Amino acid sequence: EVQLVQSGVEVKKPGESLKIACKGSGFSFTTYWIGWVRQVPGKGLECMGIIYPGDSETRYSPSFQGQVTISADKSISTAYLQWSSLKASDTAMYYCARRDLAAGSHFDSWGQGTLVTVSS
Amino acid sequence: SYDLTQPLSVSVALGQTASITCGGKNIGSKNVHWYQQRPGQAPVLVIYRDNNRPSGIPERFSGSNSGNTATLTISRVQDGDEADYYCLVWDSSTGVFGGGTKVTVL
Repeated sequence: EVQLVQSGVEVKKPGESLKIACKGSGFSFTTYWIGWVRQVPGKGLECMGIIYPGDSETRYSPSFQGQVTISADKSISTAYLQWSSLKASDTAMYYCARRDLAAGSHFDSWGQGTLVTVSS
Repeated sequence: SYDLTQPLSVSVALGQTASITCGGKNIGSKNVHWYQQRPGQAPVLVIYRDNNRPSGIPERFSGSNSGNTATLTISRVQDGDEADYYCLVWDSSTGVFGGGTKVTVL
């Protein structure tokens, strides 16, 4: 069974750094793109970027380029989303999702989400 | 950047048909995917590559895509279909979601 399990709830202060994780199982982690999707409370879905863990090729959506860092450790089948200095506007639910390029480029499996709250 | 336009809300009577549109420039040349998101839950894929249903998704869900508009159709709407629905396309290696449509079952 394909599973993406994300790290837990985070409560941080503005200016702090953060790295959240997404661990894949039940599939070949190195042969699928993994994406990160943001959802601000009460708002829609936004694709932040994607990474190919096989070679760590990463592509960022223009709105998120330079704002976050996406990385992966293929040895432990885990992708990461990282901030160096959080802002209150980063408060959101963050989902990771597997992209099935062969069947149509859709996100076919999703993690349960990581809620990040940034508040002083 | 590529923009997708969805209606904010669609209301449909129980047992009737709901149609949710996703507008974009020449969207018919792209693969369109649709997601259902119930409150407090992660999105679930309901249609991929315009008109394909993943296993476990009822036949009541169907999709089409032509010209500048893609459409998700839900037939014989049930209470459990009440949710937010999002379309997704890829443009220049960037994923783009529509703004989402809230479906209310009357």
